[in-house]
Amino acid sequence: AQSVTQLGSHVSVSEGALVLLRCNYSSSVPPYLFWYVQYPNQGLQLLLKYTSAATLVKGINGFEAEFKKSETSFHLTKPSAHMSDAAEYFCAVTDPTGNQFYFGTGTSLTVIP
Amino acid sequence: GAVVSQHPSWVICKSGTSVKIECRSLDFQATTMFWYRQFPKQSLMLMATSNEGSKATYEQGVEKDKFLINHASLTLSTLTVTSAHPEDSSFYICSARSLGHSYEQYFGPGTRLTVT
Repeated sequence: AQSVTQLGSHVSVSEGALVLLRCNYSSSVPPYLFWYVQYPNQGLQLLLKYTSAATLVKGINGFEAEFKKSETSFHLTKPSAHMSDAAEYFCAVTDPTGNQFYFGTGTSLTVIP
Repeated sequence: GAVVSQHPSWVICKSGTSVKIECRSLDFQATTMFWYRQFPKQSLMLMATSNEGSKATYEQGVEKDKFLINHASLTLSTLTVTSAHPEDSSFYICSARSLGHSYEQYFGPGTRLTVT
């Protein structure tokens, strides 16, 4: 069984500051992990994914995430927040079969000018 | 590549009527499609999984007679909300899994359903 926990349903950062969105997972098999962004009234856009290759994964829009097996974490970071980063972010986990995605509850990111 | 579309993007219907939402994989063949429901400020909840040519598998608590899913081809799945009620108002998102990438799902843009 798999599950995902996103700590912090709301995160606020100043423009130009570091963005850190936390994701911890639980999985009985090697996980595949994803971060998605969702803008209002839109679907999910894939930011990045971890599929058992490099533990530091670089995604679009300057985001990256590091898979830490010992901490069962896959936190999302961006060195410098931009106003356009304000959105809802979801972490998700699946197994290699992809039969079911488990989503976290989401983190709403606010960027303060 | 790997684009999924949904139609309509938003729909308003009267209580008691039925509405159909289409999900299409535009540039790949989708052996499996998934339907999710998302309430405001909440995460996605998987409603059902459909495989081309077979009956959909519904998650616990999802009424299969109310949410009819048809996966008639490798590029099209439809979700029909029958006898819609205001509590069915929600954001419905589909995703598709391709033959070549078994673990990854590609998400559609979503359909906003409002039942009056």
